[in-house]
Amino acid sequence: QVQLQESGPGLVKPSQTLSLTCTVSGGSISSGGYYWSWIRQHPGKGLEYIGYIYHSGSTYYNPSLKSRVTMSVDTSKNEFSLSLSSMTAADTAVYYCARDGGHTTAFDYWGQGTLVTVSP
Amino acid sequence: DIQVAQSPSSLSASVGDRVTITCRASQSISNYLNWYHQKPGTAPKLLIYGASSLQSGVPSRFTGSGSGTDFTLTISGLQPEDFATYFCQQSYNTPRTFGQGTKVEIK
Repeated sequence: QVQLQESGPGLVKPSQTLSLTCTVSGGSISSGGYYWSWIRQHPGKGLEYIGYIYHSGSTYYNPSLKSRVTMSVDTSKNEFSLSLSSMTAADTAVYYCARDGGHTTAFDYWGQGTLVTVSP
Repeated sequence: DIQVAQSPSSLSASVGDRVTITCRASQSISNYLNWYHQKPGTAPKLLIYGASSLQSGVPSRFTGSGSGTDFTLTISGLQPEDFATYFCQQSYNTPRTFGQGTKVEIK
């Protein structure tokens, strides 16, 4: 059973950079075939796709956030990371990591989510 | 970006009811449409992928249909654990996009 677990600060100050890590267990990022993704959900709102990283390190970022997003992968630790710079209150959200692709071409496994609040 | 319009935004139903939620994509997405439900404080859970394929472990009362631009999720015989918010999502291309959600509430 694949499991994903987000970790990182719950509180970030405006203008700072958010750094989150997603640790994968029960499956290897290195095996390929999946897009390791980040999605966020503003309080009481819908879901916003941030982007993905492949095991090779290739990335896709949503154009709406592209200028502020960086993703990386560490296959030796079986984890991948998200950095989002120049945080503002509008970035307050629950951030999820998820696995995309494979035979479902859907987000079939999700982390439990981590609430990030941007506040002075 | 492909827009996915979901309706209704909310509905009230009773246990045992048949419920239908629809999604319409802004362009043809073949069968690259997935359905999730989400309970408060938890992550979305995949129910249906490829428009009509039931994800492993999901009860058969959930069915999906459609192709091209119009899709439907049907819950036959609503159960207490089905009261949640439902989202559709297109996986035809990037950026992946989601419908706005349908909140299914108890009547």
